[in-house]
Amino acid sequence: RKEVEQDPGPFNVPEGATVAFNCTYSNSASQSFFWYRQDCRKEPKLLMSVYSSGNEDGRFTAQLNRASQYISLLIRDSKLSDSATYLCVVNPPNAGKSTFGDGTTLTVKP
Amino acid sequence: NAGVTQTPKFQVLKTGQSMTLQCAQDMNHNSMYWYRQDPGMGLRLIYYSASEGTTDKGEVPNGYNVSRLNKREFSLRLESAAPSQTSVYFCASSELGGTYEQYFGPGTRLTVT
Repeated sequence: RKEVEQDPGPFNVPEGATVAFNCTYSNSASQSFFWYRQDCRKEPKLLMSVYSSGNEDGRFTAQLNRASQYISLLIRDSKLSDSATYLCVVNPPNAGKSTFGDGTTLTVKP
Repeated sequence: NAGVTQTPKFQVLKTGQSMTLQCAQDMNHNSMYWYRQDPGMGLRLIYYSASEGTTDKGEVPNGYNVSRLNKREFSLRLESAAPSQTSVYFCASSELGGTYEQYFGPGTRLTVT
């Protein structure tokens, strides 16, 4: 079983739709979590951190469910510019490195 | 601040040739990483350096060597390039280990023929 698993998609949604991605992780001791965004042929960039209490940034909401060992990303009112690959990142305690999921591809269509 | 810079941006090698990919960061970060990303695939960690003076293997280290030259610079060397090493290589840095956000360079697109 992979340490971090994501549904690869692709998710094809119309503009204005709400879409949610999940990311499951295997190490129950994992302590920090992130969502990154990667545009085609570009470097990944941090979208948002995921806190235990959940967090929201405009149209984006990230949540953590420790009991079921997954994190989620909700995008409301999708824009064409949201089309990208979304990578989840899970960090075990005291780790010198992060574990990236393989990404979920989102295409928002007019 | 330039952030994380990588050179070169593009490179074509013949099988058996060697080359070094350069990476530098100006954010005073302690940890640095090298990843490869094949078309349509996720990031795979090649090597990382949790702090200056240390390096560790990642998921796919075979065929590569690294040098943490100083706190700013972390280079990746291919001693004898193979077509299977055709990929996009990303360097990243973070303040300290996996707890913190990683900042990525723009990548080096390497083709081995």
